Amino acid sequence: SQTIHQWPATLVQPVGSPLSLECTVEGTSNPNLYWYRQAAGRGLQLLFYSVGIGQISSEVPQNLSASRPQDRQFILSSKKLLLSDSGFYLCAWFRKSGNTIYFGEGSWLTVV
Amino acid sequence: RKEVEQDPGPFNVPEGATVAFNCTYSNSASQSFFWYRQDCRKEPKLLMSVYSSGNEDGRFTAQLNRASQYISLLIRDSKLSDSATYLCVVLSGGYNKLIFGAGTRLAVHP
Repeated sequence: SQTIHQWPATLVQPVGSPLSLECTVEGTSNPNLYWYRQAAGRGLQLLFYSVGIGQISSEVPQNLSASRPQDRQFILSSKKLLLSDSGFYLCAWFRKSGNTIYFGEGSWLTVV
Repeated sequence: RKEVEQDPGPFNVPEGATVAFNCTYSNSASQSFFWYRQDCRKEPKLLMSVYSSGNEDGRFTAQLNRASQYISLLIRDSKLSDSATYLCVVLSGGYNKLIFGAGTRLAVHP
């Protein structure tokens, strides 16, 4: 079956600490993968998307980065978190056949 | 100009009302369009895809106007359970870039 998972679900991190959110998909190959952030009271902001291994497109210049070390793995990272990085992070996979978007469970990040 | 723009609302309507949301997009080469619903900061759920000919699903009707570059969502006979944030989504960039609007909040009251 085709699924998408992301973790961790919740984390509280101090300012200046690193971040790693991981997203994996199953049941497909060469998926288009996306990372979004949703700040309080705001919409989903596209951060990064990837159409293949090692291919990353960045939409918003900031202290976050993304990597695609494997076909079905997409990682969101930061070397030093800022307070403004707090929010709800969503990984998504777009399946072209069927025109369907699948979302991960979401990760709540609070930077303190 | 944002790539996808929506009226943020909120729209406060009584039960039974008809409400319409609009969404505009800037990239004329955009290929696919969707309406999503999001509750209480959960992950968005697909409401319906939007086709050029327009499409209807029960109380919901979606339309696409490529010439004016906007999509719309009409909700008839609003229910309390329709209260949520409605997000329009546009796929562009050669079928690679998925852009969400900021969302329109709907509150249906008794």
